[in-house]
Amino acid sequence: DVKVTQSSRYLVKRTGEKVFLECVQDMDHENMFWYRQDPGLGLRLIYFSYDVKMKEKGDIPEGYSVSREKKERFSLILESASTNQTSMYLCASTIGTLGAYEQYFGPGTRLTVT
Amino acid sequence: AQTVTQSQPEMSVQEAETVTLSCTYDTSESNYYLFWYKQPPSRQMILVIRQEAYKQQNATENRFSVNFQKAAKSFSLKISDSQLGDTAMYFCAFWGTSGSRLTFGEGTQLTVNP
Repeated sequence: DVKVTQSSRYLVKRTGEKVFLECVQDMDHENMFWYRQDPGLGLRLIYFSYDVKMKEKGDIPEGYSVSREKKERFSLILESASTNQTSMYLCASTIGTLGAYEQYFGPGTRLTVT
Repeated sequence: AQTVTQSQPEMSVQEAETVTLSCTYDTSESNYYLFWYKQPPSRQMILVIRQEAYKQQNATENRFSVNFQKAAKSFSLKISDSQLGDTAMYFCAFWGTSGSRLTFGEGTQLTVNP
């Protein structure tokens, strides 16, 4: 059974803190993604990675960075958390050609920045 | 850039009835993929159904089927014999072969009432 896990379901951080969100997949997928989900806006792509150490900006990369040192792990970093980064963060992975195949999602991390 | 629009933020249906969720998209590409994803309350997002644009036949998966109208750029999801477990947020998504990312609609919250 395919599995994408995220390090935390709920996280509360203070403004200005550095925040790490971790995602691990056990399917040997090349492609991994970080989205944020906000009511009325759907899912918006922050960053994606198509290989180890490779990354590409999505639609809303400002204030975020990513790291992919191993194929199974993709980390999202909020360099200095701000209240407008309070959101649900979803990680996903897929095999093969980007987007053409099913994306497998993690359970999400609900981040609150106070 | 592609856009995906779901014009129904919320819908409700009685158990065992049929409901249709709407989705329209905008693209200049001729070959692409369309998806419906389901996000149950507090559970992971999963793929419901996938349609390849070059296939004329509408995709079906058990009680779920789509009405794909390529010329009208419309991709609606029909759920037959609705069940309580169908209560979820549903997202329509688009991936074009010239692009590198999945574009999601705003989502439709479906509630199935007993």
